[in-house]
Amino acid sequence: QQQVKQSPQSLIVQKGGIPIINCAYENTAFDYFPWYQQFPGKGPALLIAIRPDVSEKKEGRFTISFNKSAKQFSLHIMDSQPGDSATYFCAASITGGGNKLTFGTGTQLKVEL
Amino acid sequence: GAVVSQHPSWVICKSGTSVKIECRSLDFQATTMFWYRQFPKQSLMLMATSNEGSKATYEQGVEKDKFLINHASLTLSTLTVTSAHPEDSSFYICSARSINEQFFGPGTRLTVL
Repeated sequence: QQQVKQSPQSLIVQKGGIPIINCAYENTAFDYFPWYQQFPGKGPALLIAIRPDVSEKKEGRFTISFNKSAKQFSLHIMDSQPGDSATYFCAASITGGGNKLTFGTGTQLKVEL
Repeated sequence: GAVVSQHPSWVICKSGTSVKIECRSLDFQATTMFWYRQFPKQSLMLMATSNEGSKATYEQGVEKDKFLINHASLTLSTLTVTSAHPEDSSFYICSARSINEQFFGPGTRLTVL
């Protein structure tokens, strides 16, 4: 019930491409869905987050699409750049439930020139 | 944005010794901090939730006597790995909660020889 499944495990795209990373959850009590970017040897950094009352959120080149009925959400990176090469984690939490994050397994993204 | 620091950024110690890792929220007060452990190419695993002025709550399977957590102030939480062994070698990351978001520290690389 607490799992968040993430795919793909790794992804290679060309510069300018639009990588898409998908996550699915089971627990319908989750109400906060953030995405984190992590570079090697560094802590995760919050990229963008969404709540179930909207189906899409954009911040710069990053877009989250959210499908509440399917219990799925995805991250799209527009005009990807080599500097976007990193590991991306989706997560989910319950507001008021201590805000403990349940993380997906991570996607290693490489953007090639 | 909110800044969280960790000290040290890396540490090497001999088997059987204890190591203390500090986590500080630099520009906000955090009643709740979290400690995670991350193995290479894996996701973050929540070890414990640290609440200021009270005992930490440990996740199932985490030895509370081995991983001592103290949250003595609103800006500082410490994790002490007692009697460290090579299998404790890992990347330890803290986060601090501000309202409904978690902000992560840069991580501490622990190597036990």
